[in-house]
Amino acid sequence: EVQLVESGGGLVQPGGSLRLSCAASGFTLSHYWMHWVRQVPGKGLVWVSRITNDGSSTTYADSVKGRFTISRDTAKNTLYLQMNSLRAEDTAVYYCGRGGVTAALDYWGQGTLVTVSS
Amino acid sequence: EIVLTQSPGTLSLSPGERATLSCRASQSISNNYLVWYQQKPGQAPRLLIYGASTRATGIPDRFSGSGSGTDFTLTIGRLEPEDFAVYYCQQYTTSFTFGPGTKVDIK
Repeated sequence: EVQLVESGGGLVQPGGSLRLSCAASGFTLSHYWMHWVRQVPGKGLVWVSRITNDGSSTTYADSVKGRFTISRDTAKNTLYLQMNSLRAEDTAVYYCGRGGVTAALDYWGQGTLVTVSS
Repeated sequence: EIVLTQSPGTLSLSPGERATLSCRASQSISNNYLVWYQQKPGQAPRLLIYGASTRATGIPDRFSGSGSGTDFTLTIGRLEPEDFAVYYCQQYTTSFTFGPGTKVDIK
């Protein structure tokens, strides 16, 4: 059974850093593109970042470019999102998702809440 | 960046009625890389349709997707109580974007 479990969210001050993890089971990360998507509670979905199956290419939304870094550890079958220079507008639930056929995210984690506030 | 517009913002219908949701793109979406998701309160999104018209595994056949280029439609044939939710479209060309969502609520 495919499962994605995020962790690492919490309260952080503006300017601070946080690393989110997404532990994958039931499949091998190195066979799929993986994504991070965020959602302010009560608002819509916003795509954040993507890493290709071989890890050779990463892409970011303009709003996080230069501050966030997506990576993975194939030995641990875990996806990461390193978030630096956090701002209040980064406050959201962060989901990891597996990229399936034709760019669809076919499995999603349950989300982890990041709150940026002093 | 391709911008997706969804209409209507809210659709108020009764169980058993047909729902028609629209997703319009600011530029043509190649290879029909257009996806639909359903999201219920407190839950992660669920994949419904990919490639504009292919139902994901386990999705009932009352859900159907159509369209090409810049205009796409999600149709729910007869609304079941569990279908009242928010629906998002998403595209991939050189980047990924989501539409703002359509809320289907009970009339």
